[in-house]
Amino acid sequence: DAKTTQPNSMESNEEEPVHLPCNHSTISGTDYIHWYRQLPSQGPEYVIHGLTSNVNNRMASLAIAEDRKSSTLILHRATLRDAAVYYCILRGDGGSTLGRLYFGRGTQLTVWP
Amino acid sequence: GAGVSQSPSNKVTEKGKDVELRCDPISGHTALYWYRQSLGQGLEFLIYFQGNSAPDKSGLPSDRFSAERTGGSVSTLTIQRTQQEDSAVYLCASSPRDTPVTEAFFGQGTRLTVV
Repeated sequence: DAKTTQPNSMESNEEEPVHLPCNHSTISGTDYIHWYRQLPSQGPEYVIHGLTSNVNNRMASLAIAEDRKSSTLILHRATLRDAAVYYCILRGDGGSTLGRLYFGRGTQLTVWP
Repeated sequence: GAGVSQSPSNKVTEKGKDVELRCDPISGHTALYWYRQSLGQGLEFLIYFQGNSAPDKSGLPSDRFSAERTGGSVSTLTIQRTQQEDSAVYLCASSPRDTPVTEAFFGQGTRLTVV
């Protein structure tokens, strides 16, 4: 299964935009890029996903590079509640399932007031 | 309930004892997953159930670990003869179906401490 690479940690000030990068250089053409986040002492929660085009929802935006080898999760105005570990994972249809995918250690986002 | 429910939320057990962890998925979700998360680590896949298909057990770390899903709903993860290295948060997730575009919904987890 294709794996992803993320920075271990990032910091931001409250109400500033945050750009969380993810590299997935071995992504296949049918892999979707998903982002989850895990707040302290909670299970992960879904944030957003995309295939080729940029995506927006109420939580965040996802910018996908033209060659799909990288993507960026964008939080437009960080709040203290956004402090969490953010995971970038790939979901494919080539027999792989969420269960077999590599969550990795994600990016720990710290938001300063 | 509206979400995935796990019980107990915390479990302390003595080394060598057996433990059972329970997961109630969201009603109607056919896919169910178990993960383990050790302190400061990412999520480690354990086992996956999809409908009536044979479960994917490829992530179970040893034969002391087993899981079942009764009636396509509730799942139980059993750890026999617990060891200290089994201490972790055990997370359960469910999904309406398992496709590349569906999201998974996670429970709050069971924190297992083996003393």
